[in-house]
Amino acid sequence: SQKIEQNSEALNIQEGKTATLTCNYTNYSPAYLQWYRQDPGRGPVFLLLIRENEKEKRKERLKVTFDTTLKQSLFHITASQPADSATYLCALPPEGGGNKLTFGTGTQLKVEL
Amino acid sequence: DAGITQSPRHKVTETGTPVTLRCHQTENHRYMYWYRQDPGHGLRLIHYSYGVKDTDKGEVSDGYSVSRSKTEDFLLTLESATSSQTSVYFCAISESIHLAVSYNEQFFGPGTRLTVL
Repeated sequence: SQKIEQNSEALNIQEGKTATLTCNYTNYSPAYLQWYRQDPGRGPVFLLLIRENEKEKRKERLKVTFDTTLKQSLFHITASQPADSATYLCALPPEGGGNKLTFGTGTQLKVEL
Repeated sequence: DAGITQSPRHKVTETGTPVTLRCHQTENHRYMYWYRQDPGHGLRLIHYSYGVKDTDKGEVSDGYSVSRSKTEDFLLTLESATSSQTSVYFCAISESIHLAVSYNEQFFGPGTRLTVL
């Protein structure tokens, strides 16, 4: 089965800098990859989806890349703000398709003034 | 929370008692999911439903059962709660029947914090 790895160590950065989070996966080639944001005490919120034939996707200050050779997705937040502080999860569909997602354990981002 | 409610939001119960958690959606989405979230494990799928009366097991289904008698409601039952089932439970929905193509973006409810003593 697929395995997803996200850095379990929290990432602390200064306001205004670019935050980069990593999602690595093994064992197969997913058709797409998703990123979610989760605030303490709340459910995850869908942010972005990138398909296997897309190298990069942007939405406002967010940018996601998808390297199917390295089996890695990078999630960037440019001009970060304290309000961006949260845990960010990546999620992958099952091999062969279907609606069940496997989530990474998430990386906590803290943006400091 | 995209028209998804969960009840109760908090529950404390004792080992061996039955517990039912309810998820209600007003979005008319086809798929509904139950996850549990624990430190170090992230979100893990318990069961999901792909239509009324159609359900399937997820990664951690032992000790749990589900039912979906209406599009809008998905119930998760712990037949005999154990301390290992202490967790935060999230319901999620996906794939509006109105969309021709969907990449399964999931929308989550607010969660239920369950403590089994």
